[in-house]
Amino acid sequence: EIVMTQSPATLSVSPGERATLSCRASQSLSSNLAWYQQKPGQAPSLLIYGTSTRATGVPARFSGSGSGTEFTLTISSLQSEDFAVYYCQQYNDWPRTFGQGTKVEIK
Amino acid sequence: EVQLVESGGGLVQPGGSLRLSCAASGFTFSSYWMTWVRQAPGKGLEWVANIKQDGSEKYYVDSVKGRFTISRDNAKNSLSLQMNSLRAEDTAVYYCARTSYSDYWGQGTLVTVSS
Repeated sequence: EIVMTQSPATLSVSPGERATLSCRASQSLSSNLAWYQQKPGQAPSLLIYGTSTRATGVPARFSGSGSGTEFTLTISSLQSEDFAVYYCQQYNDWPRTFGQGTKVEIK
Repeated sequence: EVQLVESGGGLVQPGGSLRLSCAASGFTFSSYWMTWVRQAPGKGLEWVANIKQDGSEKYYVDSVKGRFTISRDNAKNSLSLQMNSLRAEDTAVYYCARTSYSDYWGQGTLVTVSS
């Protein structure tokens, strides 16, 4: 099983600042890595797939990068609606696995 | 508009069974892998199962193998998850989602396993 490790667990950021979230895989994933955003009481929503492709309707301030086992989600200028929990997920191998999440909170 | 609507959740005793359904609309259901993901209260996301477009391939997380069965009816645009021998640790909100990287999600249905 591929273990996904996200860091940090919690990220305190001021509105307008840049946020960088990390996701590490225990094995190489090629580019089969997705990022999701989840707000309290809501279902997750897809932000990024294929490591760096934004999903439909996702603002350009969200970007994904990385390769192999190291991946990054960057939010260039945090807006109030971006404070949420973010998960990475690998879909390169079975079983699919998620990271434990990074909570982005207001500083 | 893509829509996924789960149903069938509820309270069940340990060892009991429950069948979840997911009604899909707004896309060609038979063209997509489908996924079940769950989230225990206050916890992170856990992938549960996937099924190929024609149902010929199915994959499960180890913790549910032999107890849960994923299936689909392409004629009815419907995805199902039959859950048997339920345990307290299966308590979660269960989401259905489209394709391997889950581009669309339902609103979820809560399954509570408790005596």
